[in-house]
Amino acid sequence: GIQVEQSPPDLILQEGANSTLRCNFSDSVNNLQWFHQNPWGQLINLFYIPSGTKQNGRLSATTVATERYSLLYISSSQTTDSGVYFCAPARGTGFQKLVFGTGTRLLVSP
Amino acid sequence: DARVTQTPRHKVTEMGQEVTMRCQPILGHNTVFWYRQTMMQGLELLAYFRNRAPLDDSGMPKDRFSAEMPDATLATLKIQPSEPRDSAVYFCASRPPAWGAKDTEAFFGQGTRLTVV
Repeated sequence: GIQVEQSPPDLILQEGANSTLRCNFSDSVNNLQWFHQNPWGQLINLFYIPSGTKQNGRLSATTVATERYSLLYISSSQTTDSGVYFCAPARGTGFQKLVFGTGTRLLVSP
Repeated sequence: DARVTQTPRHKVTEMGQEVTMRCQPILGHNTVFWYRQTMMQGLELLAYFRNRAPLDDSGMPKDRFSAEMPDATLATLKIQPSEPRDSAVYFCASRPPAWGAKDTEAFFGQGTRLTVV
C-alpha cells in the first residue's frame, strides 16, 4: 500500500506566522485530501486536491502528483488553526481508500 | 446541512460485552468507510462498502469485528466480545459516487469514542 510521510511532526507558531506542511507519498495517486482534526477530535475537510493548486482563505494547497508530494500553506495563523493536520492520498479509481499520514501537530500561541 | 451522523458519541463498556456503533451516511453517498484512531496506530482503515457491498475489510480483526450495511442509510460496526485494546475513536466516512475516472471527496462523522474497561 501507499506509504505517507508528513513533516514536520510538530510545529509551534506565534499567531500571525506563516507555515508550510509537507506530505510525501510513495506511489502515484488519483486522489488526495487534507484534513484538520480540531482539539475536539472532529475531522474537517480542507482540500480535495489530487493535483494542482487550490486556495481557501488563508489556506492553500498544492499537489505535484508526478513528484509524489503535497504542500499545505497556512498564512497569518490563528489560534483556531491549532490541531492536527492530516493528508490522505489514495490510489486507483472508483474504489479508492484513503491512507492517512501520521499528521502534523500544530500549536498556534497568542 | 448534510453530514455523516454517528451514534453513540461516547460508549463505555465492560470487557466481554457487545458493542454496536452506527453510522448514517450523507444521503446519496454510496461509499462508506470505517476508520479507527488510536495514539499508537493513528488512523487506520477497518472496512469499506460501495453500494452496500463490502469491498475491503482486511484491516478488521475478523474474529470479533463485523461490519454491515443493512440499508443505504445505515452502516454498523460491531465488536463481540470487546476487549480493552479496542478502546479508540471509531470514525465513519461517506463519499458520493465517482464519475468516470474522477474520484470524489470523503466526509467524516464526529466519531464514537469507545472505552472498554
